[in-house]
Amino acid sequence: DTEVTQTPKHLVMGMTNKKSLKCEQHMGHRAMYWYKQKAKKPPELMFVYSYEKLSINESVPSRFSPECPNSSLLNLHLHALQPEDSALYLCASSQQRGFNQPQHFGDGTRLSIL
Amino acid sequence: AQTVTQSQPEMSVQEAETVTLSCTYDTSESDYYLFWYKQPPSRQMILVIRQEAYKQQNATENRFSVNFQKAAKSFSLKISDSQLGDAAMYFCAYRSASSGGSNYKLTFGKGTLLTVNP
Repeated sequence: DTEVTQTPKHLVMGMTNKKSLKCEQHMGHRAMYWYKQKAKKPPELMFVYSYEKLSINESVPSRFSPECPNSSLLNLHLHALQPEDSALYLCASSQQRGFNQPQHFGDGTRLSIL
Repeated sequence: AQTVTQSQPEMSVQEAETVTLSCTYDTSESDYYLFWYKQPPSRQMILVIRQEAYKQQNATENRFSVNFQKAAKSFSLKISDSQLGDAAMYFCAYRSASSGGSNYKLTFGKGTLLTVNP
């Protein structure tokens, strides 16, 4: 069982839709991450939150909007996505960024853009 | 910038045998961390093993062990007594230990797809 829970597991949306991906962890971790992963490729970092504040944005297009309502939750709001945004979106958390603690990943949300 | 290279896109092993996955990296830093992650078809990235660069002793976790050669910048993963459940994509990853902003980031290799044959 994963300690990082992501919902939904699958999402199909049109290019004009607005949807959100959710991530939850109860391990007391203070750093949370969003990754994008294309098939047979390694994950690519999108955003990092540290103590509920956005600390890193890896030049992600504005159609992706992250939000961290509290220390346990991380959302990714999606709007006007493109077909090339179809991918597996992984959430991860770690005790604190910059420390030796590994990142714990969720199962991901498989996103398909029609 | 750091780079991580996994030169074996695919590997196969017979059940109960041993297999070694290779990983090399390039960095100018002296302090860093190295990880092996496993991603089965279920999609979750699972930490297999980690190594601190300042430790000379190779990390081990049950059937998984690493051969860390800091001077050669090599970090290979050995899986002993391979099991069907070991079949997955394996990613080697590097993380800086510097006090700057780069220590948040995992730099991944391209992955090695491991097949375990019964």
